[in-house]
Amino acid sequence: ETGVTQSPTHLIKTRGQQVTLRCSSQSGHNTVSWYQQALGQGPQFIFQYYREEENGRGNFPPRFSGLQFPNYSSELNVNALELDDSALYLCASSLVVGRSEQFFGPGTRLTVL
Amino acid sequence: LAKTTQPISMDSYEGQEVNITCSHNNIATNDYITWYQQFPSQGPRFIIQGYKTKVTNEVASLFIPADRKSSTLSLPRVSLSDTAVYYCLVDGNTDKLIFGTGTRLQVFP
Repeated sequence: ETGVTQSPTHLIKTRGQQVTLRCSSQSGHNTVSWYQQALGQGPQFIFQYYREEENGRGNFPPRFSGLQFPNYSSELNVNALELDDSALYLCASSLVVGRSEQFFGPGTRLTVL
Repeated sequence: LAKTTQPISMDSYEGQEVNITCSHNNIATNDYITWYQQFPSQGPRFIIQGYKTKVTNEVASLFIPADRKSSTLSLPRVSLSDTAVYYCLVDGNTDKLIFGTGTRLQVFP
């Protein structure tokens, strides 16, 4: 059984650019959530996808968008990057929607210059 | 969702028992208490979850008093590898987790 994987590991972008981050959920998990973690802070919930539909969203602007594919993998897209978007982006999957036991990936470190 | 308060940091030595207390005065009837552990440059890892009294697994114990306004994560005989940030979460067993800033535990040899 493979765990949650994310790509790329690190990414450097400039302000105004767009970025796509990818996540493969743990085998059998149909729910994927994305979190943003700024340095020294706890992760902040961005949104969740369940069976390819958005299933809840945190306090993030519309330029943060996502997709979930039939194989339950997921993408996080961020448009018009700002300096404050620099953070660790974490993907988490769970076996059952609504359960708080989440399995997190190692994250993608995004730096916006 | 209930807000949690935990110490910003704690220090310990190898072999000691570490107790991290979390306050959650406004916990609701349907809220569960969940703890996560996070190592540098890794995602958080679920440790333990409870509703009341005591829960124990192979990693830790969770003590919850009757009024449920606080909880204590107990790590027996810590090792250097337990150095991490520990997060206390209180939620209605939802998967849309709300993390605070956590407690940074440093274990010394």
